[in-house]
Amino acid sequence: GENVEQHPSTLSVQEGDSAVIKCTYSDSASNYFPWYKQELGKGPQLIIDIRSNVGEKKDQRIAVTLNKTAKHFSLHITETQPEDSAVYFCAASRRGNQFYFGTGTSLTVIP
Amino acid sequence: DTEVTQTPKHLVMGMTNKKSLKCEQHMGHRAMYWYKQKAKKPPELMFVYSYEKLSINESVPSRFSPECPNSSLLNLHLHALQPEDSALYLCASSQVNRGREQFFGPGTRLTVL
Repeated sequence: GENVEQHPSTLSVQEGDSAVIKCTYSDSASNYFPWYKQELGKGPQLIIDIRSNVGEKKDQRIAVTLNKTAKHFSLHITETQPEDSAVYFCAASRRGNQFYFGTGTSLTVIP
Repeated sequence: DTEVTQTPKHLVMGMTNKKSLKCEQHMGHRAMYWYKQKAKKPPELMFVYSYEKLSINESVPSRFSPECPNSSLLNLHLHALQPEDSALYLCASSQVNRGREQFFGPGTRLTVL
């Protein structure tokens, strides 16, 4: 089955710096890659997603890049703010509606 | 309305109790999901309903019984749970087509004593 690895598991950055989280997947049939942000006590919220026919997507301070050949995709957050502190999950979808989640990255932005 | 609602927010139950978790969405989504999430872990898929029919059961113990009464509602019936079943239970919904955003509810924090 699909296997999604996510690194790092924890990440601390100074406010204003950039943060990068990387995920790799195993199944070349995966074609949809969402990123979710989960704040304490809340459900995951989609922050950005990318499909396999696109190499990069940007939404204000957040961007995602996809390398299909290498089977990896990354989340980039620029000009980080304290409210970006949360746990971030990547996921890959290869069949039906089933998501395979990465193990999560706990991001702390230090004011 | 892009919201998935879940009730109750918190639930404490004994191992002999029967309780139900409820989930509701009004986005017209025909796929609905139950996930279990332990602390500091990603959500684990339990069940998927597609067009109100159970399409995926990830080998979940029978003490968890899902139900989809209509396209807007999803229930999870709980009976004879174990303390290790304590977790955050998340409901999500999406369009049925492959590769679609899943919208998550806030979850029900379940504690089994």
